[in-house]
Amino acid sequence: DTEVTQTPKHLVMGMTNKKSLKCEQHMGHRAMYWYKQKAKKPPELMFVYSYEKLSINESVPSRFSPECPNSSLLNLHLHALQPEDSALYLCASSQRQGGGQPQHFGDGTRLSIL
Amino acid sequence: KQEVTQIPAALSVPEGENLVLNCSFTDSAIYNLQWFRQDPGKGLTSLLLIQSSQREQTSGRLNASLDKSSGRSTLYIAASQPGDSATYLCATNFGNEKLTFGTGTRLTIIP
Repeated sequence: DTEVTQTPKHLVMGMTNKKSLKCEQHMGHRAMYWYKQKAKKPPELMFVYSYEKLSINESVPSRFSPECPNSSLLNLHLHALQPEDSALYLCASSQRQGGGQPQHFGDGTRLSIL
Repeated sequence: KQEVTQIPAALSVPEGENLVLNCSFTDSAIYNLQWFRQDPGKGLTSLLLIQSSQREQTSGRLNASLDKSSGRSTLYIAASQPGDSATYLCATNFGNEKLTFGTGTRLTIIP
């Protein structure tokens, strides 16, 4: 069982829909991450939150909007996505950002854009 | 450019054999190196983490080594089992905030 919980596990949405991905951890970690992973490729970093503040945005299109309402929760709001955005979206957390802290991953949300 | 490479991309071995997975990185200024396992359609499970000051870490049948000077890490799996079949990813941070992943080795253990 993973200590980072992501919901939903699967999501199918149209290009005009608005949906949100959720991530939760109760390990007291103060850094949380969103990654995007396409089939047979390694994960690619999208966003990093440190102490509930956005620390890194890897030039992600504005149709992806992250939010960190508290130290345990991380959301990714989706709007007007494109078919190429279909992927596995992974959330991770670490005790703090940087310094080589190990990251713990959730099982991901499999997103399909119709 | 800071890169992490894993060769081969795919590996098949009979059950019971010992095997080694390779990971190489272009810059020795790393904090640590982490090995992950990923089953199809699933997230990443952390297997071992080696700090930059360490040479190896062991967990059960797994042993990971780190040689910063040569930019290499290996993951040794002893007495392989069909349940070991998965994609194995190594990842490191080149002294910065980001985790850089290798492209992975897809391992198949043949019963």
